[in-house]
Amino acid sequence: GDSVTQMEGPVTLSEEAFLTINCTYTATGYPSLFWYVQYPGEGLQLLLKATKADDKGSNKGFEATYRKETTSFHLEKGSVQVSDSAVYFCALISGNEKLTFGTGTRLTIIP
Amino acid sequence: EAGVVQSPRYKIIEKKQPVAFWCNPISGHNTLYWYLQNLGQGPELLIRYENEEAVDDSQLPKDRFSAERLKGVDSTLKIQPAELGDSAVYLCASSQGRTNSNEQFFGPGTRLTVL
Repeated sequence: GDSVTQMEGPVTLSEEAFLTINCTYTATGYPSLFWYVQYPGEGLQLLLKATKADDKGSNKGFEATYRKETTSFHLEKGSVQVSDSAVYFCALISGNEKLTFGTGTRLTIIP
Repeated sequence: EAGVVQSPRYKIIEKKQPVAFWCNPISGHNTLYWYLQNLGQGPELLIRYENEEAVDDSQLPKDRFSAERLKGVDSTLKIQPAELGDSAVYLCASSQGRTNSNEQFFGPGTRLTVL
C-alpha cells in the first residue's frame, strides 16, 4: 500500500538557518504530493503541493520538488524564522484517492 | 470565508460512555472526511463522504464507530462505547471535489481523552 516516510524529529534550529526535512514515499501510479503544516493550537494547513514529476511547490519561502527517480519530496527553506515553529507533515494521494500522511516532524526555531 | 468548524474542541469521558463529535464543512464543499490522529502520528482516514454517501469507510471500526452526514452538509461521528485506546484527536476535513490535487481543508480537531 501507499506509505510516506519522513525525517524523525524533533528538529531544532537557530533563526536564519537552512532547513531540510526529508520525505520519501511509496505509491502505486503517479501520486500527488503535499506538505501540510500544523501550528500550535491550529488545524492542519496545506503548505505546498506538486502534482507531477519535476514540479516544484513553493509557499512562504518553503520549496519542495517532486523527484520521481528518488521517490522524494524534501521540504527546504533557506532562512527559517521563529514563526516557522510547527509540525510538518508530508502526504500523498494516489489512485485510491486517500490522503496518506507521514508521522510528522516537529520543528522548533530558537532566536 | 469560514473554515471547517468542529465541536467540541476537547472532550473527557470515562470508558464505556458514548461520545459524539460534530463537523460543519466549508460551504460548497461536497466531500467530507473524518480522520483519527494518534499522538506523534499523522492523521489516518476513518471515512469519506461524497455529499451524503459514505464512499470509503473501510478504516472505520464499525463495531463501535458510526458516522452520518444527513443532507450532505454537517456530519457527526459517534463512538459507543468508548475505550481507552480511542484517546486521540479526531479531525474533520472538507474539499470541493475528489480529484487527487484537490486541497483538503482541516478543522482544528476534537481532542478526546478516555479515562
